[in-house]
Amino acid sequence: DAGITQSPRYKITETGRQVTLMCHQTWSHSYMFWYRQDLGHGLRLIYYSAAADITDKGEVPDGYVVSRSKTENFPLTLESATRSQTSVYFCASNGNNEQFFGPGTRLTVL
Amino acid sequence: KNQVEQSPQSLIILEGKNCTLQCNYTVSPFSNLRWYKQDTGRGPVSLTIMTFSENTKSNGRYTATLDADTKQSSLHITASQLSDSASYICVVSILTGGGNKLTFGTGTQLKVEL
Repeated sequence: DAGITQSPRYKITETGRQVTLMCHQTWSHSYMFWYRQDLGHGLRLIYYSAAADITDKGEVPDGYVVSRSKTENFPLTLESATRSQTSVYFCASNGNNEQFFGPGTRLTVL
Repeated sequence: KNQVEQSPQSLIILEGKNCTLQCNYTVSPFSNLRWYKQDTGRGPVSLTIMTFSENTKSNGRYTATLDADTKQSSLHITASQLSDSASYICVVSILTGGGNKLTFGTGTQLKVEL
């Protein structure tokens, strides 16, 4: 299906574990983004990518790592998960000056 | 302090009624202002995008207004439906060397009841 997809949709992990959240888009958009959404906060930018092999930090990058070897994929890795990283994570891509968001991944760190 | 403030935080209205949601921002330099609708358990979906020179834009029953002088925007929903129940997020975009940078409000949670 065309669009932007995320996997998994739900994930429970333990403190200290490594977790990778996947994001895939079929539009060949150059720009892709990772946000987290927490109660009392607007969506906050973690990392973004302007093209394959080009990534940059956003507002809250600490504890996260990204890569972009292919235009269509933009995985987000929590190298050693902490409870404060419990959140809903959204991937997005830019096209025609609009941002299109994926369905989100709800991550719980115990 | 969030640079994009929305009010009210939550709102309950009866089906068929109209409502207006408010957004005040301090972000600058301003590029454009967006309103998104976010259904529970889903990602945000764009409703309207307005540039500095636009003061109103409609999308069906949704009408957004922008006053760039006072840095205020509103989203008016006409003849509300149950499916309008969602969070409405105001987003202000500024143009940086790295492209558009978006600052998100915390949203207004709207519930439409019978």
